[in-house]
Amino acid sequence: AQSVTQLGSHVSVSEGALVLLRCNYSSSVPPYLFWYVQYPNQGLQLLLKYTTGATLVKGINGFEAEFKKSETSFHLTKPSAHMSDAAEYFCAVSGPGGYQKVTFGTGTKLQVIP
Amino acid sequence: NAGVTQTPKFQVLKTGQSMTLQCAQDMNHEYMSWYRQDPGMGLRLIHYSVGAGITDQGEVPNGYNVSRSTTEDFPLRLLSAAPSQTSVYFCASILRGEQFFGPGTRLTVL
Repeated sequence: AQSVTQLGSHVSVSEGALVLLRCNYSSSVPPYLFWYVQYPNQGLQLLLKYTTGATLVKGINGFEAEFKKSETSFHLTKPSAHMSDAAEYFCAVSGPGGYQKVTFGTGTKLQVIP
Repeated sequence: NAGVTQTPKFQVLKTGQSMTLQCAQDMNHEYMSWYRQDPGMGLRLIHYSVGAGITDQGEVPNGYNVSRSTTEDFPLRLLSAAPSQTSVYFCASILRGEQFFGPGTRLTVL
């Protein structure tokens, strides 16, 4: 069984401030981890993913995330928020190889204040 | 490549009506899934398929049927629509866990 917990359904940051969106997972097998972004009235698109190897992964639009096995975490960060980052962000987990079912978190809405 | 396409974009049904949401992908992915998205609940898996002719239930399958006769197509059928099925529906094709989403269908059941 696997699960994902995203802490904070809404996060507000000022433009230019650090963005930190939290994701904790549970999995009985080595996980594949994903962050997706959803802009208003659109579908989801992949921001970044961790499969194996380097634990710090970089994605699109300046986002990155670090896989910490000891903390079962995969938090998403961006050094400086931009107005265009306002969206909903979803963390997701699947089993190794990615061939198992994917479980999504409930999402975090990011508001960027000018 | 069109990626994953879904039709229709919007649909309004009356309680008890049936309909099919269409999903097609041109990436030759074996795995495909249907999700529903409701506020505060993230994406919940309805049904998924690991290849043509093979489907299985997800987290919330009741009231929905699927079939997979070809690699490309994965339609979702609502047998007798209920107001609880008002939602946004996303189809995805999957490669090594990475989901490629369609643009979604916004369904309202009155």
